[in-house]
Amino acid sequence: KNEVEQSPQNLTAQEGEFITINCSYSVGISALHWLQQHPGGGIVSLFMLSSGKKKHGRLIATINIQEKHSSLHITASHPRDSAVYICAVRAGGTSYGKLTFGQGTILTVHP
Amino acid sequence: DGGITQSPKYLFRKEGQNVTLSCEQNLNHDAMYWYRQDPGQGLRLIYYSQIVNDFQKGDIAEGYSVSREKKESFPLTVTSAQKNPTAFYLCASSPLLYNEQFFGPGTRLTVL
Repeated sequence: KNEVEQSPQNLTAQEGEFITINCSYSVGISALHWLQQHPGGGIVSLFMLSSGKKKHGRLIATINIQEKHSSLHITASHPRDSAVYICAVRAGGTSYGKLTFGQGTILTVHP
Repeated sequence: DGGITQSPKYLFRKEGQNVTLSCEQNLNHDAMYWYRQDPGQGLRLIYYSQIVNDFQKGDIAEGYSVSREKKESFPLTVTSAQKNPTAFYLCASSPLLYNEQFFGPGTRLTVL
């Protein structure tokens, strides 16, 4: 079993829909990242969080440390949100800082 | 503009040839990383460098080599010993080891 699991693997939505992508992890972490990868391949960081909730525009990220679970929400989705969304956890303990990545969620938003 | 550049974006090589992927950053970051991305899998760490003239193996270093002679440059050589070299390769950097990482645009390598 992977240390970081994302669901769903593929997600198709209509413009305007509310979208949720989930990330579950099995190791102790110091922080969790949500990343966005566009079709060209480049990756940008959306959020880094270690507790609670963060919001940036139409994007909201939450994390529940006790349940080892995080969600990324997109409100009022738009075709330009189409991308791969990647969850990555930053290790705690003796491997402090190392990133472990989920396999990504492919999001397609249709007009 | 500060950032990370990788070149070329697409690279084709014949089986059995070594190939070197370029990664340059002008962010004045000490740490640099190479990742490999395969379809349906998460990014996997190949090599990382905490500082100039120092580098360490990541999780999948076999068949790869790196050098870090300059702070801004961290080239990756895919050798003929790498059994499945066709993949998307991403370079990243961070101010210090395992701080928040910034990613380059990637190089897609296809070995024919």
